[in-house]
Amino acid sequence: EAGVTQFPSHSVIEKGQTVTLRCDPISGHDNLYWYRRVMGKEIKFLLHFVKESKQDESGMPNNRFLAERTGGTYSTLKVQPAELEDSGVYFCASSQERPRGTDTQYFGPGTRLTVL
Amino acid sequence: AQSVAQPEDQVNVAEGNPLTVKCTYSVSGNPYLFWYVQYPNRGLQFLLKYITGDNLVKGSYGFEAEFNKSQTSFHLKKPSALVSDSALYFCAVRDGGFQKLVFGTGTRLLVSP
Repeated sequence: EAGVTQFPSHSVIEKGQTVTLRCDPISGHDNLYWYRRVMGKEIKFLLHFVKESKQDESGMPNNRFLAERTGGTYSTLKVQPAELEDSGVYFCASSQERPRGTDTQYFGPGTRLTVL
Repeated sequence: AQSVAQPEDQVNVAEGNPLTVKCTYSVSGNPYLFWYVQYPNRGLQFLLKYITGDNLVKGSYGFEAEFNKSQTSFHLKKPSALVSDSALYFCAVRDGGFQKLVFGTGTRLLVSP
């Protein structure tokens, strides 16, 4: 079974440009999460999809970030325009539906974003 | 609010010796606790979790963790460390009513030959 995949693995862009990150969850996983680790700090939650619906987007830092999950399969996270503080590693995770909070989230390899 | 503390930035241990990576947590409801490991240039890999039941949880690669409710701790342990265990370890918690994971800052484990 394929794991969570993310593309690209690394992106280097100039401040003010746009970048789109993609995540393909494990097949059959309805839950999809985005997290971010900035400058060696803790990994922080960004948002959670259940199928195509945003269940919780309390961690999205501002309106420069837009996440979508059309059709409940893969998800994209767009940053527009990118700022220096957006640099970090963006992780995607997916999980099966289970009693609330008990599911295991399986993570992708991450996308390292560098904004110059 | 939920929070996790990993008090050690780095843990050094000799191969063959037991290892412990510490984690304490704070939640308002029932804690669901997780350990993940990140090897160089790899994503986060799930090691083990505590949801309910036996306080000693066994996971992948010979790791185990003990849930201690009174001390609000969930320390990761292994009886005999391997050089290949060298990696970055993250503890995470969920408050039972929420889906998102709250992570600690990570602990780098270095196992010397």
